[in-house]
Amino acid sequence: SAVISQKPSRDICQRGTSLTIQCQVDSQVTMMFWYRQQPGQSLTLIATANQGSEATYESGFVIDKFPISRPNLTFSTLTVSNMSPEDSSIYLCSVVGLPGTETQYFGPGTRLLVL
Amino acid sequence: SQQGEEDPQALSIQEGENATMNCSYKTSINNLQWYRQNSGRGLVHLILIRSNEREKHSGRLRVTLDTSKKSSSLLITASRAADTASYFCATSNYGQNFVFGPGTRLSVLP
Repeated sequence: SAVISQKPSRDICQRGTSLTIQCQVDSQVTMMFWYRQQPGQSLTLIATANQGSEATYESGFVIDKFPISRPNLTFSTLTVSNMSPEDSSIYLCSVVGLPGTETQYFGPGTRLLVL
Repeated sequence: SQQGEEDPQALSIQEGENATMNCSYKTSINNLQWYRQNSGRGLVHLILIRSNEREKHSGRLRVTLDTSKKSSSLLITASRAADTASYFCATSNYGQNFVFGPGTRLSVLP
């Protein structure tokens, strides 16, 4: 299994500002994902973070709003840009641990509140 | 986008009873997974069942998959207060296109 940490664990931000969330994995992984979980809701996939190239975004999510970096096989960042109260959610990083496996391992999440 | 529905949305049972949650999906898959989430924290993987399997067990967990009905069920036997959590099914195709169901909130009362 993979051990994943996220920073920050929570934050309170003002509207119009941006927040960058970091995801660190203790081993090299092929697939890294970013999800959003709005209060009381299920998880929605934002994008797949691709190492060395642009992230692959799901319908409804765009790079200008959620820029993602993945400089290597153990680290990724998600930025929530120009925040509004509607961006208040838990943001979760996940990985697929080993090539050919399909189990996702999740970070503890970043709880974001936008005022 | 969500694959389908999970039912019930919320379930409250007494400790020692069995809990059954159902999940439906819409598209073809090669596996279905169940996850648990405690109070807004990260998700924990419980069990994976492949499209060519019909039933799988892990400890007190029993998962079934009916690909003809595009549905799955998760049974937790002899439930404990520590099982109180939200449970999500997720489908994927060969490690991609993960889609999560809306989840079932389980409360196990002591």
